Amino acid sequence: GENVEQHPSTLSVQEGDSAVIKCTYSDSASNYFPWYKQELGKRPQLIIDIRSNVGEKKDQRIAVTLNKTAKHFSLHITETQPEDSAVYFCAGGTSYGKLTFGQGTILTVHP
Amino acid sequence: DGGITQSPKYLFRKEGQNVTLSCEQNLNHDAMYWYRQDPGQGLRLIYYSQIVNDFQKGDIAEGYSVSREKKESFPLTVTSAQKNPTAFYLCASVDRGPSYEQYFGPGTRLTVT
Repeated sequence: GENVEQHPSTLSVQEGDSAVIKCTYSDSASNYFPWYKQELGKRPQLIIDIRSNVGEKKDQRIAVTLNKTAKHFSLHITETQPEDSAVYFCAGGTSYGKLTFGQGTILTVHP
Repeated sequence: DGGITQSPKYLFRKEGQNVTLSCEQNLNHDAMYWYRQDPGQGLRLIYYSQIVNDFQKGDIAEGYSVSREKKESFPLTVTSAQKNPTAFYLCASVDRGPSYEQYFGPGTRLTVT
């Protein structure tokens, strides 16, 4: 089955800096890679996703890149703000099937 | 809040008792999923169902059971065979449409003592 590894487990940045979180996956059949943000005690919410036919996708301060050959994808957050502080999860799988989640990155943005 | 609900928000049970967690959605989604989340860990898939009256085991199905008799409902039973049932349980659903986003419910925090 799919195995998704996520790094780092914690990330601390100053407000205004960029943050990068990286994930690798094992199953070459995976074609859908979403990123979720989860605030304490709340449900995960999708912030951006990418499909395997695209190498990069951007939405305002958030971008995701995908390297299918190397089987890794990354989340980039620019101009970080304190409200970006949360746990971020990557996931990989097929678009209408199982998703395997990474173990999460605790992002702290210091004002 | 998204059309997918879970109840109750907090649940306390004694060891050895079975307990059923509710998940209901009014989004007309075909597929539904159950995940378990432990502190400092990602989401692990327990069971999923892509159509009524059919479901598949996920990565950690032992000690759990599900049913999918209606499109809107996908209850999860945590049985006494589950060795470490205390966790945060999340239900999700996804549409067959152009977006493959999994919509999550608010979760149920189960504590077994």
